[in-house]
Amino acid sequence: EPEVTQTPSHQVTQMGQEVILRCVPISNHLYFYWYRQILGQKVEFLVSFYNNEISEKSEIFDDQFSVERPDGSNFTLKIRSTKLEDSAMYFCASSEALGQSNEQFFGPGTRLTVL
Amino acid sequence: GQSLEQPSEVTAVEGAIVQINCTYQTSGFYGLSWYQQHDGGAPTFLSYNALDGLEETGRFSSFLSRSDSYGYLLLQELQMKDSASYFCAVRVPRMYSGGGADGLTFGKGTHLIIQP
Repeated sequence: EPEVTQTPSHQVTQMGQEVILRCVPISNHLYFYWYRQILGQKVEFLVSFYNNEISEKSEIFDDQFSVERPDGSNFTLKIRSTKLEDSAMYFCASSEALGQSNEQFFGPGTRLTVL
Repeated sequence: GQSLEQPSEVTAVEGAIVQINCTYQTSGFYGLSWYQQHDGGAPTFLSYNALDGLEETGRFSSFLSRSDSYGYLLLQELQMKDSASYFCAVRVPRMYSGGGADGLTFGKGTHLIIQP
């Protein structure tokens, strides 16, 4: 069964460093998303991406964040200068189309720890 | 802004039925989704309601009343593996929207504890 994959599973970085989180969405999906979940809290929407451009973004997704689809399979989230409060689980998701269910398929997540 | 309210924790007995409620206050509304998340795992889609009424998928059903800004998830014949967190989530128009992919706004989640 096709699934969303994410690498690395765990990333530890120093405050102020840049990190790139990688995702491979399901191959025939057209819509891609990044969410984050601080430990013990709710899942928060960051950004969505369609047709090689940002479709929506939340208040969290400020100038420190960027997304890219560098090739036909990868979808990346970059944080330019990490802060302690960026420590969270980052989930990538994809969906086939804006159909009736809008079912989004989530990857296993990357746990980012900023020291 | 958007807000969703759901109970933080619900306890039920194996084999029983449990209902998890969700109320929402949003500026605009497209639909209500439910996701399941086991500890350390990724959210998994359960159901979606765009229109009023009940949607049934196996042991799980979901209900929506748009006029009441209310929905619920009903789990029947509870099994131990149903122990997880359950999140309601809404699709809403956003501050910046180029049209297309709709990000979800999640509630804080309901931790469901199943007892033997």
